[in-house]
Amino acid sequence: GQQVMQIPQYQHVQEGEDFTTYCNSSTTLSNIQWYKQRPGGHPVFLIQLVKSGEVKKQKRLTFQFGEAKKNSSLHITATQTTDVGTYFCAALNDYKLSFGAGTTVTVRA
Amino acid sequence: NAGVTQTPKFRILKIGQSMTLQCTQDMNHNYMYWYRQDPGMGLKLIYYSVGAGITDKGEVPNGYNVSRSTTEDFPLRLELAAPSQTSVYFCASSYWGSYYGYTFGSGTRLTVV
Repeated sequence: GQQVMQIPQYQHVQEGEDFTTYCNSSTTLSNIQWYKQRPGGHPVFLIQLVKSGEVKKQKRLTFQFGEAKKNSSLHITATQTTDVGTYFCAALNDYKLSFGAGTTVTVRA
Repeated sequence: NAGVTQTPKFRILKIGQSMTLQCTQDMNHNYMYWYRQDPGMGLKLIYYSVGAGITDKGEVPNGYNVSRSTTEDFPLRLELAAPSQTSVYFCASSYWGSYYGYTFGSGTRLTVV
């Protein structure tokens, strides 16, 4: 399946600051999905990006799909303690998702 | 709707024992999946099914078996448990190949000792 690499693996953020996590692939992706997993919880679907250069927003979260459809990013503004968790990107291959290793976010109050 | 329901939530097995992890969904999704999650490793696909009676292997199928006799149920069978199968197991389902995202169950935390 298509492999996606996520960086950084860990992100320690001061409450109120912004941060970005990245998802990269060596091959062109048909689409990319993002999931959030709270500590001790299960992954929850956030969004899907399909078009080249697509940008979608969910409140303080901004998702972007690269022009070449080989990378994606998640930018969170004004980080809150509710943003704690692991964020996964996943590439769709036929009807199966291949997940990146995730970016684990901790927040300092 | 309950979504995707997994049982049990926790289980400790001895080496060599067998067990079945149950997964049921009530959303009439055709596609169902089993993933395992190890710390820092993301989710690895074990088996998947595109409909009742149809199953196929994912990335890490060794040591596991599945069946799909109904649309709702997709149990995962572990035969001869090994310490390497200590993990958190997630069942997921999707409508039409996940273009609407996967719905995950709450997971089964399995320890093999």
